[in-house]
Parts: sequence; C-alpha cells; structure tokens
Amino acid sequence: NAGVTQTPKFQVLKTGQSMTLQCAQDMNHEYMSWYRQDPGMGLRLIHYSVGAGITDQGEVPNGYNVSRSTTEDFPLRLLSAAPSQTSVYFCASSSESGAEGYTFGSGTRLTVV
Amino acid sequence: GQNIDQPTEMTATEGAIVQINCTYQTSGFNGLFWYQQHAGEAPTFLSYNVLDGLEEKGRFSSFLSRSKGYSYLLLKELQMKDSASYLCAVPFISGGSYIPTFGRGTSLIVHP
Repeated sequence: NAGVTQTPKFQVLKTGQSMTLQCAQDMNHEYMSWYRQDPGMGLRLIHYSVGAGITDQGEVPNGYNVSRSTTEDFPLRLLSAAPSQTSVYFCASSSESGAEGYTFGSGTRLTVV
Repeated sequence: GQNIDQPTEMTATEGAIVQINCTYQTSGFNGLFWYQQHAGEAPTFLSYNVLDGLEEKGRFSSFLSRSKGYSYLLLKELQMKDSASYLCAVPFISGGSYIPTFGRGTSLIVHP
C-alpha cells in the first residue's frame, strides 16, 4: 500500500516555464488537496477536490490549475512559473469521514529561478 | 473563515512535559486536528478531537474546549525525537466535506 505518491521530489524551473506536479493515492480516498508550505507561513491550501470531477479553490489558487478525472489522481499545474512559487508542495488525501486525518505525500521541493 | 493561533516556538528538556496551545475562531466547528512534522518531512496525523475533553494516545494527549475555541497538545516524557513542528488544523466545510486549514505551527526543540 503506497499511500500518497508525489513526483517529482525536487524540481528547478525557469521563470515562465510550466510544469505538472503529480499526485496519486491508492486508498480510494474521496478528498484530495494541494498545499504549499513556506517558512513562517504554515501550510496554505491551493486547491482541493471532494471527488472525481469536482475541484475548488483554496486560499492561494492564483497561478495554479488542477483537475480530478479519476479518484486516484490529482495533478497540480503551474501555468507560468514565478519566483514567488518557490516552495514545498504537499498533496494530501482523506476518506470522506475525515476522522483519520489527511495522509500526506512526501512533498515536492520546487525552486523557480 | 478560519483563524488559528499557536506559539511559534517552544523549548523543553528531555523527560519533561510540554503543552502546546492552539486557539481558533471558525464559522462552523467540525473538529480539530493535530499533526507532527519533522524537518524536511511530510506532516503526520496525531489526533482528531470533535468533542470536549481530553483524549490520550500513549505519551501524547489532546484536549479540546469548543466553548473557549481552545485546544492543547500535551507531550509527556519528552524524547529528543519529539523535536518537530506541531500543526493545529481546523476543517472548514465545503459542499458537505471537511477541508483542513492549518495554523502556522509550533516548532518544539527538545534539549538534553
């Protein structure tokens, strides 16, 4: 049971480039979310999904797109990378009850130069 | 919306007890989570409180008072490996589902 798998673990982008951060879970969880974590800022919600075909914006959605075509996958797309998007990105998933909390992926450390 | 407040940093001695507080303001309460995050790693789930009172899990306990908008995480018999950031999170409701909003975390340093 792999849990939540994020790829890549590290990435360096040039300003203006686009890329997709991959996230997959094998726990049949309905809820999936993307967070970014910056020093002193905690985890901030970018986008989330409550099921296949349903997505919504979180606290800091600008510059990011998501889609949820299957229960398992929830990719995060950076449309035109900016230095302000340098951060650590975490994908997380949860069952519908939520009582067991979110399971997080290992994170992607992104640097935009 | 959510507003979550917790201390930025705390220090404690190995073997001691430490209490990490979290206060919150939310438009609709749906429970409170505590997570542990070691440096360079992902957060891991510690506890979920939805009713008032103390819940104990080994060396870790979590307390909730809904009327006061207050929770704490109690760590007993501290070990060096407990040095980590502790995150308080309160879910908000979106279309009937619960999406956690996190505080900025409390960095706990345990010294010998």
